[in-house]
Amino acid sequence: NAGVMQNPRHLVRRRGQEARLRCSPMKGHSHVYWYRQLPEEGLKFMVYLQKENIIDESGMPKERFSAEFPKEGPSILRIQQVVRGDSAAYFCASSPTGQDGYTFGSGTRLTVV
Amino acid sequence: AQSVTQPDIHITVSEGASLELRCNYSYGATPYLFWYVQSPGQGLQLLLKYFSGDTLVQGIKGFEAEFKRSQSSFNLRKPSVHWSDAAEYFCAVGASGGSYIPTFGRGTSLIVHP
Repeated sequence: NAGVMQNPRHLVRRRGQEARLRCSPMKGHSHVYWYRQLPEEGLKFMVYLQKENIIDESGMPKERFSAEFPKEGPSILRIQQVVRGDSAAYFCASSPTGQDGYTFGSGTRLTVV
Repeated sequence: AQSVTQPDIHITVSEGASLELRCNYSYGATPYLFWYVQSPGQGLQLLLKYFSGDTLVQGIKGFEAEFKRSQSSFNLRKPSVHWSDAAEYFCAVGASGGSYIPTFGRGTSLIVHP
């Protein structure tokens, strides 16, 4: 049973480009969470999704960021018109019920140049 | 809203010594509590969790943590540290109601001297 799969592991984008981060949850997990980790900081919650629904997006910046978790396929975190401040590690986690400890992926490290 | 404080940014111990990492939380009701470990360049691995019941929780890799409601603490302990334990450790608190989304502390970096 594969764990939470995130790709790419590393992503370099120029300012103004779009970044698309993908997350495939563990088999049987229908709850997905995205977190961002800045250097020397802990993880900051961004968004919580279940299949086809956004449950809580209170941590998402109001502009340029969006997330989806379609019926088929991975969850996608999309960042439009990236800026240097978006450089961070983005982690996805999944849970079977939403009331368990999460399983985390290895993250995508986004660098904006 | 819940919050977590990990007062120690860095902890240095000698291999074989005992370890205690501190975690204090703020939440109005009984929280869900977690400890995660992160090795460099990796994701987070769950060490242990507390939901209810026995306040002393055993986890993987020889770690344990004790929930103390009176002190709002959930400190992580290990009796004898191994060099491979060097990593970043995160405490997290989740609400026992609502949408339940853990809030993470800033982390404590553990350095192990031979």
